[in-house]
Amino acid sequence: GENVEQHPSTLSVQEGDSAVIKCTYSDSASNYFPWYKQELGKRPQLIIDIRSNVGEKKDQRIAVTLNKTAKHFSLHITETQPEDSAVYFCAARGGGADGLTFGKGTHLIIQP
Amino acid sequence: GAGVSQSPSNKVTEKGKDVELRCDPISGHTALYWYRQSLGQGLEFLIYFQGNSAPDKSGLPSDRFSAERTGGSVSTLTIQRTQQEDSAVYLCASSLVGLAGDTQYFGPGTRLTVL
Repeated sequence: GENVEQHPSTLSVQEGDSAVIKCTYSDSASNYFPWYKQELGKRPQLIIDIRSNVGEKKDQRIAVTLNKTAKHFSLHITETQPEDSAVYFCAARGGGADGLTFGKGTHLIIQP
Repeated sequence: GAGVSQSPSNKVTEKGKDVELRCDPISGHTALYWYRQSLGQGLEFLIYFQGNSAPDKSGLPSDRFSAERTGGSVSTLTIQRTQQEDSAVYLCASSLVGLAGDTQYFGPGTRLTVL
């Protein structure tokens, strides 16, 4: 089955700086890669996703890149703000799988 | 409109008891998913429903876990003879049609504590 690795587990950045979270996946047939943000005690919320026929997608301060050859994808957050502090999860789906396979999460801390 | 809802929000039970967790998906969503999130961990896929059928039950941790969905809407996850390692947040998600690129919307979860 699919295996998703996510790094780093904790990331601390100064407010206004950029943050990058990286994920790798194992199943070359995977074709959908969402990113979820989860605040403490809240449900995961989709923030951006990318499909395998696209290499990059951007939505305001958030962007995701996908390298299918290397089987890795990354989340980029620019001009970080205090409200960006949360746990971020990458996930992969496809290749006949029904559910999403999640990484273990990155705790993003924005230092004022 | 209304999102995915789950009940109860919290459940404390004694080891060996059975529990039922409920999920109400977004109206019109044909696909429904159950995940489990242990403390400080990522989400673990349990089971997927397309309509009332569950083509993939391979994620269920043991035969103590079962799930059903009736009327293509509400789903119930049942855990029999609960064990302490079952303690976790159980999250339900739904999506419109269940295709690979379909956005999954999560409910608030049920926090299960087994004493």
